[in-house]
Amino acid sequence: ELKVEQNPLFLSMQEGKNYTIYCNYSTTSDRLYWYRQDPGKSLESLFVLLSNGAVKQEGRLMASLDTKARLSTLHITAAVHDLSATYFCAVDKGGSQGNLIFGKGTKLSVKP
Amino acid sequence: EPEVTQTPSHQVTQMGQEVILRCVPISNHLYFYWYRQILGQKVEFLVSFYNNEISEKSEIFDDQFSVERPDGSNFTLKIRSTKLEDSAMYFCASTLDGAGYWYEQYFGPGTRLTVT
Repeated sequence: ELKVEQNPLFLSMQEGKNYTIYCNYSTTSDRLYWYRQDPGKSLESLFVLLSNGAVKQEGRLMASLDTKARLSTLHITAAVHDLSATYFCAVDKGGSQGNLIFGKGTKLSVKP
Repeated sequence: EPEVTQTPSHQVTQMGQEVILRCVPISNHLYFYWYRQILGQKVEFLVSFYNNEISEKSEIFDDQFSVERPDGSNFTLKIRSTKLEDSAMYFCASTLDGAGYWYEQYFGPGTRLTVT
């Protein structure tokens, strides 16, 4: 059974600081996704990582994928309050038709 | 920009009643999904749908659940006899298969189902 684990589950940061969220998954998968969710809202796609060594950056967020270690990271650089949200990683269940298995999410709070 | 839409945004129903949640996927997408998220918890896969039939379903998707694409644009999730534990946010998603690769899934805004 594919399991996806994120840590930390809660993260309180000061503005301007850097931090990394980790996403481990238990079985082989070549596709990993990062989503952002604001309270009461839907899931906003941030990154789709399709191959080993993939690195994508958008603004203050950078995501990477190591398929051998079954690990993805979401790095936050110089955090700002607007980044406060819950971040989910999701893995495409191997052999499935795009069915995503989500981690529990990391609730990020960026304080002034 | 095309988007997935869902109706209603909030549905309140009594235990044992039937509910139908509606979704309009992005028009050229081929694969459709339902997920649910119990308040404060992770998002859970329910079912995937392609070519007018279920591709895969999770353990959550038991006989009380069904999906349908009745008219080529809508994609519905029916719960026949709702239970208290069905209270959750239900998300519809769609994606396009291109060249054998899976593109990102686009999620709708969700329907909050409250069973009383």
